[in-house]
Amino acid sequence: EVQLVESGGGLVQPGRSLRLSCAASGFTFDDYAMHWVRQAPGKGLEWVSGISWNSGAIGYADSVKGRFTISRDNSKKSLFLQMDSLRADDTALYYCVKDISSSWYVTLFDPWGQGTLVTVSS
Amino acid sequence: QSVLTQPPSASGTPGQRVTMSCSGSSSNIGSNTVNWYQQLPGTAPKLLIFSNSLRPSGVPDRFSGSKSGTSASLAISGLQSDDEADYYCAAWDGSLNGLIFGGGTKLLVL
Repeated sequence: EVQLVESGGGLVQPGRSLRLSCAASGFTFDDYAMHWVRQAPGKGLEWVSGISWNSGAIGYADSVKGRFTISRDNSKKSLFLQMDSLRADDTALYYCVKDISSSWYVTLFDPWGQGTLVTVSS
Repeated sequence: QSVLTQPPSASGTPGQRVTMSCSGSSSNIGSNTVNWYQQLPGTAPKLLIFSNSLRPSGVPDRFSGSKSGTSASLAISGLQSDDEADYYCAAWDGSLNGLIFGGGTKLLVL
């Protein structure tokens, strides 16, 4: 069974940094692209970033470009999101998501983790 | 304001057929396929329909999708109480160079 377990969320002050992690199991991690998708409280879904199977191609939403960095460690079956210069509107549940393809721009998400909550507030 | 427009709510009674729309533009739905996700209350989203009209294994054939021009639709027939959820459409946008979601439609089963 595919499992994606996010961690690293919490309360952080505006302007500070946070690093999210996602531990993957139940599939051949380095065969697939991975993504982060977020959902602000009571709001809809927003794609944040995607990374190809070998980290050779990466994409970001305009809202996080220049502030967030996605990365992966295939040897540890882990996905990361380094979030810098955090703002109040980054407050959201962050989901780790597996793509059905090895290329990040396919953006077909299956399955999703349960999410880790990031709250940006002073 | 989402680039893909979905009605905020829809409703139906058990056994009915309901449809929900997703409206976009030539840079997204008009030139790329549409996927649909179902988010049951308090849970993570789940892939429901991909490539406009295909169902992943395990999704009942009560769920169907279609696309025409710059719009897409999701239909649910034989509505059941546990279909009550938020439904999101998604498509690649070539102008934004990223994936975009609709704002979501909350389905109520009366």
